[in-house]
Amino acid sequence: AQKITQTQPGMFVQEKEAVTLDCTYDTSDPSYGLFWYKQPSSGEMIFLIYQGSYDQQNATEGRYSLNFQKARKSANLVISASQLGDSAMYFCAMRGLVMKTSYDKVIFGPGTSLSVIP
Amino acid sequence: EAGVAQSPRYKIIEKRQSVAFWCNPISGHATLYWYQQILGQGPKLLIQFQNNGVVDDSQLPKDRFSAERLKGVDSTLKIQPAKLEDSAVYLCASSLVQGFHEQYFGPGTRLTVT
Repeated sequence: AQKITQTQPGMFVQEKEAVTLDCTYDTSDPSYGLFWYKQPSSGEMIFLIYQGSYDQQNATEGRYSLNFQKARKSANLVISASQLGDSAMYFCAMRGLVMKTSYDKVIFGPGTSLSVIP
Repeated sequence: EAGVAQSPRYKIIEKRQSVAFWCNPISGHATLYWYQQILGQGPKLLIQFQNNGVVDDSQLPKDRFSAERLKGVDSTLKIQPAKLEDSAVYLCASSLVQGFHEQYFGPGTRLTVT
């Protein structure tokens, strides 16, 4: 069964420092996509970054980068130069095809709460 | 491009009452999802539509929850009767059907059952 694990319930980081949020996943499918979403206290889910299972390069989007280690089944999010506005919940998610069907399924991890300290 | 719209944003009801939530996805997005997010947890998929057909409702409590997507566009999620444990944020999301595209989420409906 597919599963996402985020082992850090809460993290603190000093403003302007870099922080890594951990995500490990479990799937037997060769093709899948990995996503990170940010959820501020206001509640909306904001897409941050995507990594495909066949992508050779680690994904980057501005201050966000994804440290993808396929053999270890990990997809850690790195936020560089943290800002106060980065304080939020961060969710790792995986999207993969459901076997013998034409549709895909998305599962989310339990999330990591990040607090940026001035 | 307009985002995913949801209404209402907040709802307070008493247990055993019924409630309905509405979602309008991004134009052209064939896949629509309803999630339940309990405070402090990740979103849990309740039901997934592809166009107007249900492709996954394995975690939908069918004795009290129902959902429909008419004409493959708008969707309504209903709870009847509500229980205290249904207090949560109900998120609607949509995405393109082909490829591993990101989901776009609406602002959510915060339901409180008293």
